[in-house]
Amino acid sequence: GEEVAQTPKHLVRGEGQKAKLYCAPIKGHSYVFWYQQVLKNEFKFLISFQNENVFDETGMPKERFSAKCLPNSPCSLEIQATKLEDSAVYFCASSQVGDPSYEQYFGPGTRLTVT
Amino acid sequence: AQSVTQPDIHITVSEGASLELRCNYSYGATPYLFWYVQSPGQGLQLLLKYFSGDTLVQGIKGFEAEFKRSQSSFNLRKPSVHWSDAAEYFCAVGAGGTSYGKLTFGQGTILTVHP
Repeated sequence: GEEVAQTPKHLVRGEGQKAKLYCAPIKGHSYVFWYQQVLKNEFKFLISFQNENVFDETGMPKERFSAKCLPNSPCSLEIQATKLEDSAVYFCASSQVGDPSYEQYFGPGTRLTVT
Repeated sequence: AQSVTQPDIHITVSEGASLELRCNYSYGATPYLFWYVQSPGQGLQLLLKYFSGDTLVQGIKGFEAEFKRSQSSFNLRKPSVHWSDAAEYFCAVGAGGTSYGKLTFGQGTILTVHP
């Protein structure tokens, strides 16, 4: 497709429950990036993929967050045992090439609310 | 590590007035610089980018930005603001090296436009 698709739009989880978010990059884009936007509007980089390979995971919280990009499937970001501070909007972006001069196209985001 | 500072959290202008949003960055090499706009509940849309060449770059919706290496700045400007420009604006720097492609965002500037 011509747009980055993210599902679901909204997700509500009780503290301690699992949350799984999905991202379908633009067809032909090799790179996928996940960002977390918390209430103060700060964007935090989480992880990037080059096709199905993790490219940069320096922003991922080690313990409860995991992500995958498998062939012929949407990419996913999973949070085990959610905490209140995980409440945020999670954005996925895709890029044709990982070079920073190439535009990253952002999806509409998934709003995760942890209660 | 790269960083971006947007000194103004909130700016209010009258419709038709000129606009300048400030952005200062810290990065060891030649930066890749971006301005994104986010409307409420929406993802990010790229307004313009700079990575080499002419230091004055033109973007969509009548926006322009000027890269000033000596001041480590990349300020966004528009000569005449329209009510539809009300949104939040994010400046970002793109990384090379081992953080290839990763974007670091500023805190954002909320723009309010008075009729």
